[in-house]
Amino acid sequence: AQSVTQPDIHITVSEGASLELRCNYSYGATPYLFWYVQSPGQGLQLLLKYFSGDTLVQGIKGFEAEFKRSQSSFNLRKPSVHWSDAAEYFCAVGPINTGTASKLTFGTGTRLQVTL
Amino acid sequence: GAGVSQSPSNKVTEKGKDVELRCDPISGHTALYWYRQSLGQGLEFLIYFQGNSAPDKSGLPSDRFSAERTGGSVSTLTIQRTQQEDSAVYLCASSPKGLGSNGYTFGSGTRLTVV
Repeated sequence: AQSVTQPDIHITVSEGASLELRCNYSYGATPYLFWYVQSPGQGLQLLLKYFSGDTLVQGIKGFEAEFKRSQSSFNLRKPSVHWSDAAEYFCAVGPINTGTASKLTFGTGTRLQVTL
Repeated sequence: GAGVSQSPSNKVTEKGKDVELRCDPISGHTALYWYRQSLGQGLEFLIYFQGNSAPDKSGLPSDRFSAERTGGSVSTLTIQRTQQEDSAVYLCASSPKGLGSNGYTFGSGTRLTVV
């Protein structure tokens, strides 16, 4: 069965500092990997995704993530955090698009707090 | 519509009552998903629909939960005889056939509080 682990429940960083949010997955085949962000009272917004090809993917809002197959990881990074990045971040894994509906498995999320 | 629309945005109900939550997906999206987000928890898969195929109900936590999707568009999630542990945010998402190139598009959710 597929699973996603986000080992950090809560992270606090200072504005301007760099950020790395960890994500490890368990999946029996080549995965489709996503990072979503959820601001308070909002739904989830896609930050970036990995399907194939270059293992370093760029997303919106200056975020990037690196797929490391050997470590089963897909960590999210940002060089300089802004106060508006405070939110909850979810990593998700799913099967490569087969043309049929495919459910994503989500991690439990990491809540990011940004101090000024 | 332009996005996934869910209603109501908030619902407070008494224990034992039935509730219906509505999701209106993006026009043209054939796949529709329901997830539940409890306080401090991740997203728990409930059910998904894909076109005219039989839905995958494997995530429904009990027979008090059911969902339907009429005309391949709007979906309703029904919880019968609500319990306090049903209190959560219920999120709906839609996608083109398959995960497509951008995964899911989520609605803003319905916050259900059972008192």
